[in-house]
Amino acid sequence: DVVMTQSPLSLPVTLGQPASISCRSSQSLVYSDGNTYLNWFQQRPGQSPRRLIYKVSNRDSGVPDRFSGSGSGTDFTLKISRVEAEDVGVYYCLQGTHWPPTFGQGTKVEIK
Amino acid sequence: QVQLVESGGGVVQPGRSLRLSCAASGFTFSSYGMYWVRQAPGKGLEWVALIWHDGTKKYYADFVKGRFTISRDNSKNTLYLQMSSLRAEDTAVYYCARSNQFDYWGQGTLVTVSS
Repeated sequence: DVVMTQSPLSLPVTLGQPASISCRSSQSLVYSDGNTYLNWFQQRPGQSPRRLIYKVSNRDSGVPDRFSGSGSGTDFTLKISRVEAEDVGVYYCLQGTHWPPTFGQGTKVEIK
Repeated sequence: QVQLVESGGGVVQPGRSLRLSCAASGFTFSSYGMYWVRQAPGKGLEWVALIWHDGTKKYYADFVKGRFTISRDNSKNTLYLQMSSLRAEDTAVYYCARSNQFDYWGQGTLVTVSS
């Protein structure tokens, strides 16, 4: 299985400051169709996961533009330009290129 | 709007069975593959099972193979997970999620396996 490694696992951030989460895969996530199936999810406390970003950099409907995704191959990043209180939670990356789908361990974002 | 609503969770003794349901609405259910994903208390996410849109193919994580069965009734817009020979380590919140893009998730249903 493809191993997804996130860092850091815990990220204390000051309100209004940027945050960045890294996700690295053990194999390239470029699929034979040319797409890279790397998604990002947010899980707020007590809630179910919500997809934020699909195929590396595409924001889902309703996702604030302070969230952005980037990367290629095996190295991906989720950035929050200015952290707000509602961004507290755990963030997961997921690869859907190789079977089976695999999630990163999660990165807990909290306010300092 | 797309909605996925899980039900059927509860407390069950080790070795017993339980059936989860996921009622779908707001989209053409029969056009999408569906996943079950679980999250043990305080832990991360792991996929459990996948069923194709028409139910013809099913895939399972190794840790549930032979014990869990995924199925669907497209006439009722409902996904199921039949869980048998339950173990303490199956204790988790179980989510249904739409497609291999995991674009929509339900609110989850808690399964606790305990004597």
